[in-house]
This record gives sequence, structure tokens and C-alpha cells, in this order.
Amino acid sequence: GQQLNQSPQSMFIQEGEDVSMNCTSSSIFNTWLWYKQDPGEGPVLLIALYKAGELTSNGRLTAQFGITRKDSFLNISASIPSDVGIYFCAGQLPNTGGFKTIFGAGTRLFVKA
Amino acid sequence: SAVISQKPSRDICQRGTSLTIQCQVDSQVTMMFWYRQQPGQSLTLIATANQGSEATYESGFVIDKFPISRPNLTFSTLTVSNMSPEDSSIYLCSVAAIQETQYFGPGTRLLVL
Repeated sequence: GQQLNQSPQSMFIQEGEDVSMNCTSSSIFNTWLWYKQDPGEGPVLLIALYKAGELTSNGRLTAQFGITRKDSFLNISASIPSDVGIYFCAGQLPNTGGFKTIFGAGTRLFVKA
Repeated sequence: SAVISQKPSRDICQRGTSLTIQCQVDSQVTMMFWYRQQPGQSLTLIATANQGSEATYESGFVIDKFPISRPNLTFSTLTVSNMSPEDSSIYLCSVAAIQETQYFGPGTRLLVL
């Protein structure tokens, strides 16, 4: 079945550093989504990407939809302590009745002040 | 973005009992989904809730164990039946309206003793 490989699994960084994480797959996706999940909360949508090659920013966050439609990356610039959490990538592809979303295993980000 | 509420937010249940989780969204949405997130893990799709008809279940999930209702475009329920400790998890409602942008509720934290 479809699978997403998300890396790194975890990151320990200093406040102010830039962060980069990515997802790859052998499957082609129509949409890529990036979420952040804080402890005890549901995932919150950060960025949605709908076209191959699309580069989208949301404040200090930048994400790109890979040209092959099989990968995506998320960058966080000038990290701050509240960036701590789990970041999930998700790829969507057509399915019976609509679409199906596949999630990566998550990247756990730790920021030291 | 859609505002999604779930009830209960958390519960502790005895094995063998059943729990029904409610999901309410503040606007009409095309698709509603139920996910499970086991401790420290990613999100796994249980089923797509279809309005007025039987839900579409993913491999490994069956209607007898996870009956789902969706009487209208803004409300769905998931029941976890005949619970065992292995059902301890976070259960998340998710919705999608325009394009395939998908949003999550805050989750229901279930502990089965």
C-alpha cells in the first residue's frame, strides 16, 4: 500500500536555528498537507499544497510540493520554543467516493531556549 | 477553516463496555473521517463517514467494532464497541470541505481498563 517516509524522526535544535524536514514516497499524490500537533491536541493544518512545484509560505514556515509529486519538504526559519511539537506530512490521492489521506510517522521537534 | 468539536474530550472505560464519540462541525462539509492515533504513533484512518449510508472502512477495521453514523452534513458519531485495553487511543474526527483541505477535531482520549 501507499506509504510516506518522513524524516528526520526527531530533531533537537537551539532557538533561532532553521529546521528542515521532508517526506518521500513511491506513490504520486495530488495534494500535500503539513500539520503540527501539540501534546493533548488534534493536528493543526499549517500549509496545504495543491500543485507540483508549488512553494508556499506561512509566516516562518515554507513548504514545497515536489515536482515529481512524490515528495514534499517543510522548512521552519528562526525557530522559537513554541515550535516544539510533532510535525506530520500527509499526502492525498483519489479514492472511491473522494480521496484518501496517508500520514507520515511524524517529526518530533525539540527547541532549546 | 472549519471548527470541529468532539465529545467527550476524554474518558476512562471498563473493558467490555462501549463508548460513543460525537463530532460536530460548524459548517456543511463534504467528507468526514474518523482516525485513531495510538500513543506515540501517527494517524490511522478507521473509516470515511458517508451521509445517509454505511461508512467505508479501511482494512483492519470493521463495522461491528466501530459502528459509525452520519445523519447529516455536520454531525457524525463513532462507537468503540466491546472495548479492550488495546482500544486505548486518541480518536480524531476530521473533515474536508473545499479542495481536499482536511481539518481535525481536538480528539477524544480513551483509556480502557
